[in-house]
Amino acid sequence: KAGVTQTPRYLIKTRGQQVTLSCSPISGHRSVSWYQQTPGQGLQFLFEYFSETQRNKGNFPGRFSGRQFSNSRSEMNVSTLELGDSALYLCASSLGTYSSGNTIYFGEGSWLTVV
Amino acid sequence: AQRVTQPEKLLSVFKGAPVELKCNYSYSGSPELFWYVQYSRQRLQLLLRHISRESIKGFTADLNKGETSFHLKKPFAQEEDSAMYYCALINYGQNFVFGPGTRLSVLP
Repeated sequence: KAGVTQTPRYLIKTRGQQVTLSCSPISGHRSVSWYQQTPGQGLQFLFEYFSETQRNKGNFPGRFSGRQFSNSRSEMNVSTLELGDSALYLCASSLGTYSSGNTIYFGEGSWLTVV
Repeated sequence: AQRVTQPEKLLSVFKGAPVELKCNYSYSGSPELFWYVQYSRQRLQLLLRHISRESIKGFTADLNKGETSFHLKKPFAQEEDSAMYYCALINYGQNFVFGPGTRLSVLP
């Protein structure tokens, strides 16, 4: 069974631009969650989607948004990029929501560099 | 606010020695706690969760509500245990809160 797939793996953007990252969950998984990992702040939860609905949201500004499609694939978007948005963005999927006790499986992440 | 702290950024032990990775949390309620591990060049993965009370790869973790701790222990460390370990909890808002991580290095 294929794991969680994230694209692109690496990208460089300029301040002020926007970026869209994509996540394909494990087949059959309906929940997708996103995380930002930086050396300074560590691993921080962004949001979780289940059945196309945002279930939970972390403490991030409105520039960070996401959505989930009917096939459970998810995208996250960051608008008006700032230098501090440079990070590894991880996606994870689970059968149901993680708060229901479902194990989450992580992707390899998308490395975003903002210059 | 809910927080997870891991006081050690780096922990080095010799092979065969006991290892304990510390995790403390601040949370007013009954938390759901986890340990995640990331081996070199591999994805972050679940190691264990407190509700299952299982031992994975020889690791155990006991929830101590009085001390608000969830330390990860293994009696005899192996070189393949070298990795980054993250303690995490699910809080009231059902958000995941991760600790800063501890890098475990098991020396031969």
